[in-house]
Amino acid sequence: GEDVEQSLFLSVREGDSSVINCTYTDSSSTYLYWYKQEPGAGLQLLTYIFSNMDMKQDQRLTVLLNKKDKHLSLRIADTQTGDSAIYFCAESMDSNYQLIWGAGTKLIIKP
Amino acid sequence: EAGVAQSPRYKIIEKRQSVAFWCNPISGHATLYWYQQILGQGPKLLIQFQNNGVVDDSQLPKDRFSAERLKGVDSTLKIQPAKLEDSAVYLCASSERSGSAVEQYFGPGTRLTVT
Repeated sequence: GEDVEQSLFLSVREGDSSVINCTYTDSSSTYLYWYKQEPGAGLQLLTYIFSNMDMKQDQRLTVLLNKKDKHLSLRIADTQTGDSAIYFCAESMDSNYQLIWGAGTKLIIKP
Repeated sequence: EAGVAQSPRYKIIEKRQSVAFWCNPISGHATLYWYQQILGQGPKLLIQFQNNGVVDDSQLPKDRFSAERLKGVDSTLKIQPAKLEDSAVYLCASSERSGSAVEQYFGPGTRLTVT
């Protein structure tokens, strides 16, 4: 079956790195995504990774994919107060491109 | 480039009343999605359109929810009659295939409160 799981909360100090984790169950996933949702706003695509890749880096963001363990992580370097948001992990299959979503991880920044 | 537009942003109704939401996708995007996001959960797909045809509406409660996408552009989602459990944020998204990856662009959502 399809299921995406995330921790509900993560608290980090400003300036530290944040690592948000996600596990998924469908081994036929083609793409895995990270979306950001700020209060009162829609979902913003941060980055995505193709399932045959291990890592993708984009400025302060690093995505790591362990396909064997079906584990995806998002690392945010030098976390800032503007990074406070809920981060959603999602997977899609090539067949219909529909997204299966996790429940989201709320990132809390401590001064 | 203008983003996905939705209206209204907020709506409060009593149970058994009806409500309609409107979405205008990004120009040129063939695929349009309606999601329901209940507080503390990830989005749940209600219906997916490709142009003006329905691709998937398997999770749409068809006894009370309906959606249409006239002329393959704007879309409306209607709930009639509303129940308390319909309180949620209704998100509209659109996408245009780019290779094999699909990037969905979301509107700000409509927050519905049913009392």
